[in-house]
Amino acid sequence: KQEVTQIPAALSVPEGENLVLNCSFTDSAIYNLQWFRQDPGKGLTSLLLIQSSQREQTSGRLNASLDKSSGRSTLYIAASQPGDSATYLCAVRLVEEYGNKLVFGAGTILRVKS
Amino acid sequence: DVKVTQSSRYLVKRTGEKVFLECVQDMDHENMFWYRQDPGLGLRLIYFSYDVKMKEKGDIPEGYSVSREKKERFSLILESASTNQTSMYLCASSLWDEAGELFFGEGSRLTVL
Repeated sequence: KQEVTQIPAALSVPEGENLVLNCSFTDSAIYNLQWFRQDPGKGLTSLLLIQSSQREQTSGRLNASLDKSSGRSTLYIAASQPGDSATYLCAVRLVEEYGNKLVFGAGTILRVKS
Repeated sequence: DVKVTQSSRYLVKRTGEKVFLECVQDMDHENMFWYRQDPGLGLRLIYFSYDVKMKEKGDIPEGYSVSREKKERFSLILESASTNQTSMYLCASSLWDEAGELFFGEGSRLTVL
């Protein structure tokens, strides 16, 4: 059974710091891995999608990497800002019938202090 | 811009009431999903649909049903709401392609009294 773990569970950093969020998964049979951001009381916003054949994706100050063989992904946030404060979740899309099953991590709660 | 719209952001219902949660997407996506999110339990899949009139049970379908009469609309139905169905409900959609990106709506916070 696929399990997705996110470390750390919570993180508090001063503004301007570069930071790394970690996501690990137990089964490498995945189609892709997606990183999301969730603000309190809101839905999830897609940040980056990495296909299983890719190693990394970048969007602005965000960079996500994927090492499928070791079951790891990292989300790198450069020059963090208070507006980056949110919960960050990763999810893997399983290779199975219909290809529609995603398994989510519990998330990392990020607080960027001004 | 991609858009998944959930009709109600906040609902308060009484035990035993029938509840409809509506979700509409404007991206011509084949796949649509309903999740619930609870503290400490994360996101759990209730139902998904890969085509009009097609549906598949997720991890926690008990107490729920769904309807997909049109491609853009996916409804979640609570036939007889119970207090343990108080939760945040999230609708999502994606292309049929298994590599497709998942897009979420803003969520519907349901409280059952």
